[in-house]
Amino acid sequence: EPEVTQTPSHQVTQMGQEVILRCVPISNHLYFYWYRQILGQKVEFLVSFYNNEISEKSEIFDDQFSVERPDGSNFTLKIRSTKLEDSAMYFCASSEGRGPQETQYFGPGTRLLVL
Amino acid sequence: SQQGEEDPQALSIQEGENATMNCSYKTSINNLQWYRQNSGRGLVHLILIRSNEREKHSGRLRVTLDTSKKSSSLLITASRAADTASYFCATEGGYTGGGNKLTFGTGTQLKVEL
Repeated sequence: EPEVTQTPSHQVTQMGQEVILRCVPISNHLYFYWYRQILGQKVEFLVSFYNNEISEKSEIFDDQFSVERPDGSNFTLKIRSTKLEDSAMYFCASSEGRGPQETQYFGPGTRLLVL
Repeated sequence: SQQGEEDPQALSIQEGENATMNCSYKTSINNLQWYRQNSGRGLVHLILIRSNEREKHSGRLRVTLDTSKKSSSLLITASRAADTASYFCATEGGYTGGGNKLTFGTGTQLKVEL
C-alpha cells in the first residue's frame, strides 16, 4: 500500500541552524501538508500546499518557515533559523483531493530536537 | 473548550472489553476523522465520517457523529492489547482554495491490559 515517507526520522540541531525536513507524498496525491506536534500537545496544522503554492498557513508558519516541492516527488519544510521551541515531531501528510471524504495520509514523522 | 477535545483523557480497560472515546468540536465541519498514534510514532488514519453521516463501521470500529451536539464517539469493540495507543479526532472544516486543514483534538490515551 502506498505511504508517505519522511526523512530523516530524527534530527538534532543547534539553535540558529537551518534544517530541511523531507517528505515524499503518495505519488498520485495533489495536496500536501505539514503539521507538528510538540511533546505532549496537540497536533497542529502548519501549512497546506497545492499546485506549487501555499494555500493556507497557520500563525506558527512565520517567515522562518518555507515549503518547496523541488521536483515531482519531494516536498520539503525548511526552518531557516531554528529556535528551542521548534523542537517537535513534524508530520507530512498528503491527500488525493479536497472533497469532504478525502483522507489525509500521514508520514511517520521527523523528530526535531533543537539544542 | 477548544475545537476537538476528547474525553476521557485516559482510559484503561481489560482486553476483550469495549472502549468508547468521545470528541467534541465547536465549528461546522465537512468531516471528522479519527487517527491512532502509537507512542512517539506516526498518525494512522482509522476512519472518516462525513457531516451528513450519522454512523460508520470499519471492522471493530464504530464511529457516530451528532452534528447538532457537535460531538462524535469512537467505539472499539473486543479490544486487544495491540489497541493500546493515543486516539485523536480531527475535524476538517472547509475548503480554503487548496487542501483542507485538519484541526486535531487533545487525544485519548487508551491502555488495554491483558
